[in-house]
Amino acid sequence: DIVLTQSPATLSLSPGERATLFCRASQSVSNFLAWYQQKPGQAPRLLVYDASNRATGIPARFSGSGSGTDFTLTISSLEPEDFAVYYCQQRRLWPGTFGQGTRLEIQ
Amino acid sequence: QLQLQESGPGLVRPSETLSLTCSVSGASISSSGHYWSWIRQAPGGGLEWIASVSKDGATYYKSSLKSRLRVSVDTSRQQIALNLTSVTVADTAFYYCARHRSLSLVTDFFAYWGQGTLVTVSS
Repeated sequence: DIVLTQSPATLSLSPGERATLFCRASQSVSNFLAWYQQKPGQAPRLLVYDASNRATGIPARFSGSGSGTDFTLTISSLEPEDFAVYYCQQRRLWPGTFGQGTRLEIQ
Repeated sequence: QLQLQESGPGLVRPSETLSLTCSVSGASISSSGHYWSWIRQAPGGGLEWIASVSKDGATYYKSSLKSRLRVSVDTSRQQIALNLTSVTVADTAFYYCARHRSLSLVTDFFAYWGQGTLVTVSS
């Protein structure tokens, strides 16, 4: 199975700051990578798919980039509601696998 | 608006069978070319895909669970079912059902999720 490694494990920032989250794959996944946001007590929500396409209704402050093995999710200016856990997921090879998550917390 | 709702017992004894149902509303399973999946998350842990099923009953299972896991679809009832036999405490998790984003892709991203249901395995 493809292993996705997310970094950092925890990111402490303040509202208004820029957040950069990373996801590295154990082998190339081309651009078949997604990002999800999960808030406490809620299901994950799809933010970005195929590395750089925002899902329906996702604000423009969220952007994804990368291809091959290295990917980035950027939140340009953090809003209070953005503090959550973020997961990446690949669909290049069965079974689709998730990263272990990055917790974005308020500094 | 597509909605998914998981239901089932919140407590299962070790060695027994975990049975969950996902009820789908807002779209017809029988006219959908999308796959439907079960994903679980241990409390405080990460996400783990465990099974997928199509409207025609084609199934795919996580290798390590294949011998204990069965999923099925009932298009007349608009439901997707999950059965996991011989459970242990390691099966304690939130269980989510989800619909794939793209038509006909077995391995895909998950665009729609239920709210999840916590199943605790304990004696």
